[in-house]
Amino acid sequence: AQSVTQPDIHITVSEGASLELRCNYSYGATPYLFWYVQSPGQGLQLLLKYFSGDTLVQGIKGFEAEFKRSQSSFNLRKPSVHWSDAAEYFCAVGTAQTGANNLFFGTGTRLTVIP
Amino acid sequence: EAQVTQNPRYLITVTGKKLTVTCSQNMNHEYMSWYRQDPGLGLRQIYYSMNVEVTDKGDVPEGYKVSRKEKRNFPLILESPSPNQTSLYFCASSGPGQGSYNEQFFGPGTRLTVL
Repeated sequence: AQSVTQPDIHITVSEGASLELRCNYSYGATPYLFWYVQSPGQGLQLLLKYFSGDTLVQGIKGFEAEFKRSQSSFNLRKPSVHWSDAAEYFCAVGTAQTGANNLFFGTGTRLTVIP
Repeated sequence: EAQVTQNPRYLITVTGKKLTVTCSQNMNHEYMSWYRQDPGLGLRQIYYSMNVEVTDKGDVPEGYKVSRKEKRNFPLILESPSPNQTSLYFCASSGPGQGSYNEQFFGPGTRLTVL
């Protein structure tokens, strides 16, 4: 069975600093990987996704993520954080059979941005 | 506007009083899911449906029921709510079919409190 680990429960960064949120997955075949963001009081919005091809994926709001099969990781990065990026971030994995239809989510990382 | 709607957005009820949370999508998606979100646990899938009249259990189905009589609607039913079902609930949809590699679209969430 697949699973997702987000080892950092809470991260605090200064505005303008770089950001990296960690995600490790467990799945026997090629995973389908997603990052979602949840702003306070809001639903989930897709930031980016990886299915195949180039392992560096660009998303919305200046985010990118890199798929590293050897490390079973899909870390999310942003070179310069803005105060509006404060939110909770979820990594999720889907399988070859279910794709985006049936996702397993990590426990989330809450990002605080200091002015 | 393509969207997933949920009603109500907030609900406070008492133990044992049956309730239904409605979910509707206007994207003609075949696949719909219900998740609950709890602090430190991320999102866990309750039930999902691959099409009309086809539903299946997710990771935490106990105490919940669903139905899928129409493609656009996927209500979540709590026959006898208990305090441990106090949570934030999300409905999501994706499509067009099984193995779709697009994305899940999430509703705005329903915050349920069971006293």
